[in-house]
Amino acid sequence: GAVVSQHPSWVICKSGTSVKIECRSLDFQATTMFWYRQFPKQSLMLMATSNEGSKATYEQGVEKDKFLINHASLTLSTLTVTSAHPEDSSFYICSAPERRTSSGKAGEQYFGPGTRLTVT
Amino acid sequence: DAKTTQPNSMESNEEEPVHLPCNHSTISGTDYIHWYRQLPSQGPEYVIHGLTSNVNNRMASLAIAEDRKSSTLILHRATLRDAAVYYCMTGGATNKLIFGTGTLLAVQP
Repeated sequence: GAVVSQHPSWVICKSGTSVKIECRSLDFQATTMFWYRQFPKQSLMLMATSNEGSKATYEQGVEKDKFLINHASLTLSTLTVTSAHPEDSSFYICSAPERRTSSGKAGEQYFGPGTRLTVT
Repeated sequence: DAKTTQPNSMESNEEEPVHLPCNHSTISGTDYIHWYRQLPSQGPEYVIHGLTSNVNNRMASLAIAEDRKSSTLILHRATLRDAAVYYCMTGGATNKLIFGTGTLLAVQP
C-alpha cells in the first residue's frame, strides 16, 4: 500500500529555536495532507490541513504563525514549529488521503510514523 | 463532522472474536464510517471503512446498523498484535478525520 514518511523521527531542540518536520508521500501524489499533534495518553488532535499550492487551513485554536505549514510539492508538506517551548513537546503526525475514486468514494488515509519533538 | 462514542477500553482473549462498538447518532447521509487503530508510538493504521453496507477485508469486518447510527468493528480472531487503540470516526467530503478518545483493546494470551 501507499507509504507516508516523516523526517526526523525524533528531535530534541532548545527552547526558542525552530524545528522543521517533513512529511512525504512516497509513491503517490497528495494535494492535501493533514497535520496532527498527540500528547501522551491522549488522542490525536487535528492541527491543520496542508494544501498544495495554497495556504494551509488551521483548526480553531492553532496559531498559524507558530506552526508554519508549507506544501511545496505534490509529495511534500513541512511543519515548522517556530520559537519552540517545552509545552510544544509532543508527537506530531501527518497523513495523506488516498485520492477518491471516480465515483467520489472516500478512500483511506495513510499516516506517517510520527515525529517526537522534545523541547528542553 | 459527527461525533462518535466508544467504550474507553475492552479486553479480549487471544484467538477469540472481538466486537468493538461505536455510536454515531448524528452522522449525516453522506458521511463514511472509518476505523483506524494506533499502536504505541506509531502513526494510526487504516482498518476499514464503509457507507451503508457491511464491509469485509483481510483485517476486519464492519457491521453498520440499518439506521447508520452505530457500527461494530469485528476482529474475527484477536491476536496479541491487535492490541491497540481503535478509533471510530465519521467523515465527509473533505477527508478530514476528527479523532475521538477511541477504545483501548487489550488482548490476553
